[in-house]
Amino acid sequence: QKEVEQDPGPLSVPEGAIVSLNCTYSNSAFQYFMWYRQYSRKGPELLMYTYSSGNKEDGRFTAQVDKSSKYISLFIRDSQPSDSATYLCAMKSRNTPLVFGKGTRLSVIA
Amino acid sequence: DGGITQSPKYLFRKEGQNVTLSCEQNLNHDAMYWYRQDPGQGLRLIYYSQIVNDFQKGDIAEGYSVSREKKESFPLTVTSAQKNPTAFYLCASSIDHGETQYFGPGTRLLVL
Repeated sequence: QKEVEQDPGPLSVPEGAIVSLNCTYSNSAFQYFMWYRQYSRKGPELLMYTYSSGNKEDGRFTAQVDKSSKYISLFIRDSQPSDSATYLCAMKSRNTPLVFGKGTRLSVIA
Repeated sequence: DGGITQSPKYLFRKEGQNVTLSCEQNLNHDAMYWYRQDPGQGLRLIYYSQIVNDFQKGDIAEGYSVSREKKESFPLTVTSAQKNPTAFYLCASSIDHGETQYFGPGTRLLVL
């Protein structure tokens, strides 16, 4: 079983839809959870950072972590064509390298 | 402007040639990282460095070498031993090894 599983998509939604992106993981030691957004041929940019379980909201984006289920989610409300990108989940325990999911490619259609 | 720069944006390698990818940061970050990204494969860690003059192998270090002589710089050499070097290479840095990472714009390496 891979440490981090992420559905690669592609996921295609109409503008204004609510998008749900998810990752599952197997290592119960993971404490730090991140979501990165990567536009085509660009470096990833940090979108959300969460420590341990719970929710975090930033504008149209909400990150959720459920450590008991080893499951993290990113929700995008009122999705826009500019949200079209690949979304990478990443996670780590203290003083270990980040482990990335393979990324989900999202297309928001106007 | 603070940030991470990578050069060149595109790099072409001939068979049997070593090439070096540059990564510079002016964020005063202690830790730096190199990743390789292939289509559908996500990011795979090549090497990382937590402090100057120290570095560790990641998951796919074979065929690569690094140095960390200055805090700001972490160059990656793709040696002739790397038989499949075509990929998108990403450099990242973080305040220390326990913190979130920030990425550069990447270098695309192609083999002639």
